[in-house]
Amino acid sequence: KQEVTQIPAALSVPEGENLVLNCSFTDSAIYNLQWFRQDPGKGLTSLLLIQSSQREQTSGRLNASLDKSSGRSTLYIAASQPGDSATYLCAVPKMGGNTPLVFGKGTRLSVIA
Amino acid sequence: DVKVTQSSRYLVKRTGEKVFLECVQDMDHENMFWYRQDPGLGLRLIYFSYDVKMKEKGDIPEGYSVSREKKERFSLILESASTNQTSMYLCASRPAGSTDTQYFGPGTRLTVL
Repeated sequence: KQEVTQIPAALSVPEGENLVLNCSFTDSAIYNLQWFRQDPGKGLTSLLLIQSSQREQTSGRLNASLDKSSGRSTLYIAASQPGDSATYLCAVPKMGGNTPLVFGKGTRLSVIA
Repeated sequence: DVKVTQSSRYLVKRTGEKVFLECVQDMDHENMFWYRQDPGLGLRLIYFSYDVKMKEKGDIPEGYSVSREKKERFSLILESASTNQTSMYLCASRPAGSTDTQYFGPGTRLTVL
């Protein structure tokens, strides 16, 4: 059974700091991994999708890496800003490619001005 | 622009009422999903659908049913609402296949009194 864990559950950093959010999954036979952002009381917004054949994806100040063999992914945020404050969730398909996503519980990030 | 809409942002119902939560997507996606999100428990899958008239139980289907009569619309039904169904409900859609991201609606905050 696929399980996704995110550590830490919460993180507070000063503005301008570079930071790393961690995600681990128990079954390494994944098709892809997604990182989402959720603002309080809102839905989820997709940030990055990494296919199983890829090692990383970049979008602006965000960089996500994937190490399937070790069951880990990291989301790197460069030069953090107060607007980055949100909960970040990672997710992988439950089994095969076209199956529901299994989500971690997220990391709540606060960037202090 | 890709869009998933949910019929209500906030809803207050009484115990025993029948509740309908509607979700509509405009992207011609085959897959649609209903989740609930609770503090400390994360996102949990209630039901999903791979196509019109098809439905599959997720991890917590008890007390819920769904309907998908048209491709763009996926309804979640609480047959007899109970206080433990007070939660944030999130709808999502995704194309068939394993390579595409998942899109979420803004969520419905349901309170059952």
